[in-house]
Amino acid sequence: EVQLVESGGGVVQPGRSLRLSCTASGFTLGDYAVAWVRQAPGKGLEWVGFIRNKPYGETTEYAASVKGRFTISRDDSKNIAYLQMDSLETEDTAVYYCTGRQNFNIHYWGQGTLVTVSS
Amino acid sequence: QTVVTQEPSLTVSPGGTVTLTCASSTGAVTSGYYPNWFQQKPGQAPRTLIYSTSNKHSWTPARFSGSLLGGKAALTLSGAQPEDEAEYYCLLYYGGPQVFGGGTKLTVL
Repeated sequence: EVQLVESGGGVVQPGRSLRLSCTASGFTLGDYAVAWVRQAPGKGLEWVGFIRNKPYGETTEYAASVKGRFTISRDDSKNIAYLQMDSLETEDTAVYYCTGRQNFNIHYWGQGTLVTVSS
Repeated sequence: QTVVTQEPSLTVSPGGTVTLTCASSTGAVTSGYYPNWFQQKPGQAPRTLIYSTSNKHSWTPARFSGSLLGGKAALTLSGAQPEDEAEYYCLLYYGGPQVFGGGTKLTVL
């Protein structure tokens, strides 16, 4: 069974950092790009960014709202992807989903992890 | 800033047909935007229904179909069921970044 499981969410103060993990099972994460998507409470989905897989140089793209503060990385030997979030702002409060993306399409979703930025 | 627009809300009768659309502020949506459609029920993660305009996953009910219609991406539900009541989001590709639509709340009533 294909599964993506996010972890690392929690409550953090503004200006601090947090790292989320996304662990894949049931498929080879290295065959997919990994995109992160977030959803603020009561709001819609927001594309955060993604990392291409090895054949495409593991390059990254980010939404303007997080560029320079968030970094996506991956370790395919462990079937894990990461979202490093620095200089967090209260507006970053959201459920963060990792997704498996292939050929420009999102196919698989994790269950999400909640990040609350509050003093 | 690129904006992707969906109908905020739609209502369909049980057994009826409804079409949700997804428009881009940059112009007509084509297959090169690789439209994706996702369904999200309250308290759940989204799931992918349609990818690359019209392709279905194994878990996508046959009553859902995707297409391009009048310069927009479209999701058509034929024979609506009570369990189809949900929020639906589209996603378009812009050569690097991707942008979600604001979502359509579909009521089956």
